[in-house]
Amino acid sequence: AQSVTQLDSHVSVSEGTPVLLRCNYSSSYSPSLFWYVQHPNKGLQLLLKYTSAATLVKGINGFEAEFKKSETSFHLTKPSAHMSDAAEYFCVVSVSGGYQKVTFGTGTKLQVIP
Amino acid sequence: EPEVTQTPSHQVTQMGQEVILRCVPISNHLYFYWYRQILGQKVEFLVSFYNNEISEKSEIFDDQFSVERPDGSNFTLKIRSTKLEDSAMYFCASSEAWGRQDEQYFGPGTRLTVT
Repeated sequence: AQSVTQLDSHVSVSEGTPVLLRCNYSSSYSPSLFWYVQHPNKGLQLLLKYTSAATLVKGINGFEAEFKKSETSFHLTKPSAHMSDAAEYFCVVSVSGGYQKVTFGTGTKLQVIP
Repeated sequence: EPEVTQTPSHQVTQMGQEVILRCVPISNHLYFYWYRQILGQKVEFLVSFYNNEISEKSEIFDDQFSVERPDGSNFTLKIRSTKLEDSAMYFCASSEAWGRQDEQYFGPGTRLTVT
């Protein structure tokens, strides 16, 4: 079984300040982990993914995430928030046991204050 | 950049009616998926499809749901007799391969409102 917990449903930051969106997971198998972003009325866009190579993963738009197995975490960070980062962010865990099984977190809404 | 497309963007239907939600996956992808997101809730897996058959389905995907790939490009989700609780955003996704490391590409979604 697998699960994903996004610890904050809403995060508010000022423009230019760092962003931290937290994600913890549990999985019986070696997982891959993804972060997706959803802007209003848009689909889900992949930000970055971890697939058992480097534990620090860089994604698009200046985002990065670090896989920490000991803490079962995959937190998303960005050094400096931009207004266009305001969106909902989903942490996703994927395992395969003959098929790919994907589980979404509940999402974190990021508000960026000018 | 290739993308998954979905039509319509918003569908309003009356309870008991049949609806068909359409998706065009990325052209070289072989695996297709439907998810739904009830307002304020998490994205939930419905079904995966490969080689013209269902690979896996969740407990949500009961007999009122069906999927089809009627031609080489479209992938459809049919809800036979809609209920109020089917109101949700429905996302289609596709992927090149089946491994855990293979990301799924999502469409913009169809918002289904059942009245």
